[in-house]
Amino acid sequence: QVTLKESGPVLVKPTETLTLTCTVSGFSLSNARMGVSWIRQPPGKALEWLAHIFSNDEKSYSTSLKSRLTISKDTSKSQVVLTMTNMDPVDTATYYCARFRNPPFSYDYWGQGTLVTVSS
Amino acid sequence: EIVLTQSPATLSLSPGERATLSCRASQSVSSYLAWYQQKPGQAPRLLIYDASNRATGIPARFSGSGSGTDFTLTISSLEPEDFAVYYCQQRSNWPRDGITFGQGTRLEIK
Repeated sequence: QVTLKESGPVLVKPTETLTLTCTVSGFSLSNARMGVSWIRQPPGKALEWLAHIFSNDEKSYSTSLKSRLTISKDTSKSQVVLTMTNMDPVDTATYYCARFRNPPFSYDYWGQGTLVTVSS
Repeated sequence: EIVLTQSPATLSLSPGERATLSCRASQSVSSYLAWYQQKPGQAPRLLIYDASNRATGIPARFSGSGSGTDFTLTISSLEPEDFAVYYCQQRSNWPRDGITFGQGTRLEIK
């Protein structure tokens, strides 16, 4: 059974760095057909893709947020970590991790999401 | 960056009716387009991948069509559980150019 679960702080202060962890089970992060992305969704708004990590450790980032994001993985722990620096209230959102599988070259499994609020 | 524009923003229909949702790309994405359904408080669920392929377990009333810049998600006969928000997502030039989502279409009960 494939599962993904996000964990991290529910509240961060402006200018702080956010660190989120996605713990996966039911598949290996070393599987060449799998990758994991982080996607966020501000309250009442649309989905926004943030970053992706491939099985070979190659990474891809949103152009607009690239300077603030770092994605990494620990295959032995089945974890994918996202850090986002210089948090701002506009970064308040539910953050999802999702598995990208080839095929179907889409996100076939998602975590439940974790709401992160940025406020002083 | 490729921009996906979904229309309409909100679609009001009754159970049993046919729903047609549109997604237009700012440049060709070939057939590299997926559709997701999201219900309140839940993560999105994959419905359609590569424009016209139903994901595992998705009912046959859901179908996708299109290529290039214009895509359509059709729900042939709406069930009560189909009222939700629908997003399209493209992966053209992946991984060089990243992934983008549309702004969503809310399908509500009339």
